[in-house]
Amino acid sequence: GAVVSQHPSWVICKSGTSVKIECRSLDFQATTMFWYRQFPKQSLMLMATSNEGSKATYEQGVEKDKFLINHASLTLSTLTVTSAHPEDSSFYICSARDRRGGMSYNEQFFGPGTRLTVL
Amino acid sequence: TQLLEQSPQFLSIQEGENLTVYCNSSSVFSSLQWYRQEPGEGPVLLVTVVTGGEVKKLKRLTFQFGDARKDSSLHITAAQPGDTGLYLCAGADAGGTSYGKLTFGQGTILTVHP
Repeated sequence: GAVVSQHPSWVICKSGTSVKIECRSLDFQATTMFWYRQFPKQSLMLMATSNEGSKATYEQGVEKDKFLINHASLTLSTLTVTSAHPEDSSFYICSARDRRGGMSYNEQFFGPGTRLTVL
Repeated sequence: TQLLEQSPQFLSIQEGENLTVYCNSSSVFSSLQWYRQEPGEGPVLLVTVVTGGEVKKLKRLTFQFGDARKDSSLHITAAQPGDTGLYLCAGADAGGTSYGKLTFGQGTILTVHP
């Protein structure tokens, strides 16, 4: 149980194009999903919190118009990197929180990540 | 803003040695998770500790949550090359208003040499 998938696992695109990354909870419903960015050999950096049916909450310094997040259902959240540039190249990881979990646990289950390379 | 200081950042040891990774904060957490991540993959949850003073064991891994719920440690006994990876601690806000947002430590890159 608690499986999260991401698609695509890797993507290469030209500068100026937009890229959409999907995050799905496969065997549970997730009212909240999180999007992270990770640089090599570093920890995870939270970009935004995505709640089903409402606008995402972005962390300080993250451009909401550049990183569009949509959480249309309890099992799907998408991250769209608009007008991508080489500096957006990174490893993007999503996680999902099981809606059955109590607030005191706050366990997150992570997807396998998406490697984005912008040429 | 909550901070979680994780140390050491890098650890390179020989197979069979023991090691401890620490996570410390001045903030109280409602729970603390430990994850392990391999290159090119997402983090995998190892354990969640909730109660102050709690100790959990997972085979050769022992996790401890501080009495005040501000710190935690991960101890690995007789490390094996398969333990190699990035270990992350993450604390959940005790305030309960952040939709379960986690504060991550900086990570510990563990390399176990055969």
